[in-house]
Amino acid sequence: DQQVKQNSPSLSVQEGRISILNCDYTNSMFDYFLWYKKYPAEGPTFLISISSIKDKNEDGRFTVFLNKSAKHLSLHIVPSQPGDSAVYFCAASGGAQKLVFGQGTRLTINP
Amino acid sequence: DAGVIQSPRHEVTEMGQEVTLRCKPISGHNSLFWYRQTMMRGLELLIYFNNNVPIDDSGMPEDRFSAKMPNASFSTLKIQPSEPRDSAVYFCASSWTATNEKLFFGSGTQLSVL
Repeated sequence: DQQVKQNSPSLSVQEGRISILNCDYTNSMFDYFLWYKKYPAEGPTFLISISSIKDKNEDGRFTVFLNKSAKHLSLHIVPSQPGDSAVYFCAASGGAQKLVFGQGTRLTINP
Repeated sequence: DAGVIQSPRHEVTEMGQEVTLRCKPISGHNSLFWYRQTMMRGLELLIYFNNNVPIDDSGMPEDRFSAKMPNASFSTLKIQPSEPRDSAVYFCASSWTATNEKLFFGSGTQLSVL
C-alpha cells in the first residue's frame, strides 16, 4: 500500500547533462509535494516543493513538475554536477495524511 | 543553530535487549517526528508530536515500540524487546508546526539488532 512510489532505485547521469527523477502517487487527497536530498551518514534535507495548484516550480538548477491527472511528479536537475550525487526522496501530504515518503532514488553523477 | 541532534549515531544490540534512541529538536520547533528508513519502504513515519503531545502513532509497528516527549527539547523512541527486523536507520525530525512540511532531520541512528 505504498502511496508514494519511486520506481527507479538508482540513476546514473553524466556531468553537465539533465537528471530526471520520477515519482508516482496514488492518494488523490495529496496536495503538496516535496523533494528531499540525502547524503550518506546525514539526514534528508529539503530541496524543493510544489503545491497542487501549480504544475511547475523552479529554483535555480532544480525544477519540479507536477502532472495531477497522471498522479506523477518529476525533478529535473540541469546541469547535473558531481555534488548532486545523493539519494533523492519524493514526499507528499494532504488531507489528514502527514508527509509520506517514497523509497528513494540514488543519483550518481559521473565526471 | 545546532540542528536536530540524535544519539547514539550507531547502536548494536542483541535480540531481546531494550534500545532507547534520543532526539533533541531545533529550539522553537513545535512538532517532532520519528521516521524509520528501510530499503524496501523508504522513510516511514512512526509517530509525531505537536507541542509535546503524541498526535498520530499509527505508524508504530508494534507494542514493542514506544515514544515519549517529556518536554519541548527532548524525545525518546524505545524498542523493548528488540528484534533483528528492527534493524534500520531511525531519524528524528522537527518543524515549526505540524502543518509545515519542511522538516529538519537529524543525522539518524543506525540500529543493528543481532
